[in-house]
Amino acid sequence: DADVTQTPRNRITKTGKRIMLECSQTKGHDRMYWYRQDPGLGLRLIYYSFDVKDINKGEISDGYSVSRQAQAKFSLSLESAIPNQTALYFCATSDFVDSKSNEQFFGPGTRLTVL
Amino acid sequence: GQNIDQPTEMTATEGAIVQINCTYQTSGFNGLFWYQQHAGEAPTFLSYNVLDGLEEKGRFSSFLSRSKGYSYLLLKELQMKDSASYLCACDTGRRALTFGSGTRLQVQP
Repeated sequence: DADVTQTPRNRITKTGKRIMLECSQTKGHDRMYWYRQDPGLGLRLIYYSFDVKDINKGEISDGYSVSRQAQAKFSLSLESAIPNQTALYFCATSDFVDSKSNEQFFGPGTRLTVL
Repeated sequence: GQNIDQPTEMTATEGAIVQINCTYQTSGFNGLFWYQQHAGEAPTFLSYNVLDGLEEKGRFSSFLSRSKGYSYLLLKELQMKDSASYLCACDTGRRALTFGSGTRLQVQP
């Protein structure tokens, strides 16, 4: 069973629609992240959360919002989708306390297309 | 600011050795990660360097020089399945990793 899951895996939507991407993890990690990946630009951080009450903006948070419903769940919303939000979105977790590094464990990704 | 540079693309031959370089300039540095990512898939962890020197793990090795802001990933006995993107990422102590743009490696027969 996958430790980090994302739904949906693929989504096509239209400009102006509200979209929610969901992430769940069974690793028991406190830290969760949302990244987007565009060709040639690598992974860029959108939002991150170190616990249910801790939400922080990343480098490209404009146009996005998040919700940490529980330790295991972290959702990303696009309130009004636009075409340049077409990208591959990854959720990740880490457990800095028990490991000696900030290794990120990634979900399988959600491919989002905004028409 | 944070700046991480790695070559965009590299090509190598099956059975050969390839070195993928990464240079970084970051405000704060705790360690450096290398991830492998096949097209359309999630990145997977390869290595983590904190101290200067070479870390060897099977066919893959990773080197770090903190004073030079430099790392490389060395892949030996290349296989076709090694065709993938290789991501360099710095733990800057700012609560999340900063990734380079990735190096796409193509292994040819």
